[in-house]
Amino acid sequence: DAGITQSPRHKVTETGTPVTLRCHQTENHRYMYWYRQDPGHGLRLIHYSYGVKDTDKGEVSDGYSVSRSKTEDFLLTLESATSSQTSVYFCAISESPGQAYNEQFFGPGTRLTVL
Amino acid sequence: AQSVTQPDIHITVSEGASLELRCNYSYGATPYLFWYVQSPGQGLQLLLKYFSGDTLVQGIKGFEAEFKRSQSSFNLRKPSVHWSDAAEYFCAVGNTGNQFYFGTGTSLTVIP
Repeated sequence: DAGITQSPRHKVTETGTPVTLRCHQTENHRYMYWYRQDPGHGLRLIHYSYGVKDTDKGEVSDGYSVSRSKTEDFLLTLESATSSQTSVYFCAISESPGQAYNEQFFGPGTRLTVL
Repeated sequence: AQSVTQPDIHITVSEGASLELRCNYSYGATPYLFWYVQSPGQGLQLLLKYFSGDTLVQGIKGFEAEFKRSQSSFNLRKPSVHWSDAAEYFCAVGNTGNQFYFGTGTSLTVIP
């Protein structure tokens, strides 16, 4: 299994509070991704990173920010959590996604509940 | 723009029966195609992938998938389903860019 950990694994928070989720990899892969998973929507890309300090938006980036100061860590921040951000969040990594035979490896997920 | 459609939200099959999960994609060039499986409370695990060459791809756990360019499809099959195959299955498409696009998933129930 790819070395990807996410923390925390579960979190309950209140509306309006800031929340930071962490993804840590030991594979030295260049690309890292944050997805959210919701019933009926599958996985939707929030943000991704293609290197240290290099990030870009996905299809559902509003209300989220990311940072990547080290190759191994990719942080997802909800500046002011809302109930619509209740979801399961997955981190994924990929070595060279644009090249053949490179897939994404997924972390175990973080279940976030915003009350 | 790329997209993936999994037309079946939920499928129920009897243990030992054959299985086919449908996946249709939209992409202008030859896509990179993947099938992932997610067990309850777990992350996603890669079952198989297609990039080029033989259009019938073998994966783990006895699964296979066939790429049909004319139908823009990449259906997942298994000849005999086991109770442990009950899970959610996701089809995904990648390209020469940086992103992957996932379908909404098909939930598989296996009955004894």
